[in-house]
Amino acid sequence: DVVMTQTPVSLSLAIGQPASISCKSSQSLLGTSGKTFLNWILQRPGQSPKRLIYQVSKLYSEVPDRFSGSGSETEFTLKISRVEAEDLGVYYCWQGTHFPQTFGGGTKLELK
Amino acid sequence: EVQLVESGGGLVQPGRSLKLSCVASGFTFNNYWMTWIRQAPGKGLEWVASITNTGGSTYYPDSVKGRFTISRDNAKSTLYLQMNSLRSEDTATYYCTRGEVWGQGVMVTVSS
Repeated sequence: DVVMTQTPVSLSLAIGQPASISCKSSQSLLGTSGKTFLNWILQRPGQSPKRLIYQVSKLYSEVPDRFSGSGSETEFTLKISRVEAEDLGVYYCWQGTHFPQTFGGGTKLELK
Repeated sequence: EVQLVESGGGLVQPGRSLKLSCVASGFTFNNYWMTWIRQAPGKGLEWVASITNTGGSTYYPDSVKGRFTISRDNAKSTLYLQMNSLRSEDTATYYCTRGEVWGQGVMVTVSS
């Protein structure tokens, strides 16, 4: 199985500060289609997960452009240029290139 | 509006069975693969099962293979998860997802 390692486990930031979350996979997520199925999702407290980014760097239409995703093969990063209160929660990376699909352990973003 | 609404959860004894349902609306259900993902209390996310848009192929991790069965009725826009031989470690909130859209989740508790 592909192991997804997320760091840090938690982040404590003030409003307006930048954030960066790393996700590393135990094998390449580049699929035979030439696409890399690495997603980022956010789970706010008490809510179901919400979509943020798919295929490494593509933002869903409702996601603010302060979010960005980058990376390739086995190393990926989610960045928030300026944290806002609504960004609090747990962020997960999720690979869909290989079965079984696997998730990172999560990064909890809290307000300082 | 795209919606996924799960039902069928509850308290069940170890070794017994339970069937979850997920009714989809707001999109052409038979165009999409569908997936069940679960989250144990206070834990991260775990992929449980996926099914192709036609229902012709299904996929499971080893943790549920042989015990859980994912299926769909495209005429009813409904996804199912039949869970047999339930164990305490199956206790979780189960989410139905299209990948980028998630339901609100349904709780399953396996306990005597």
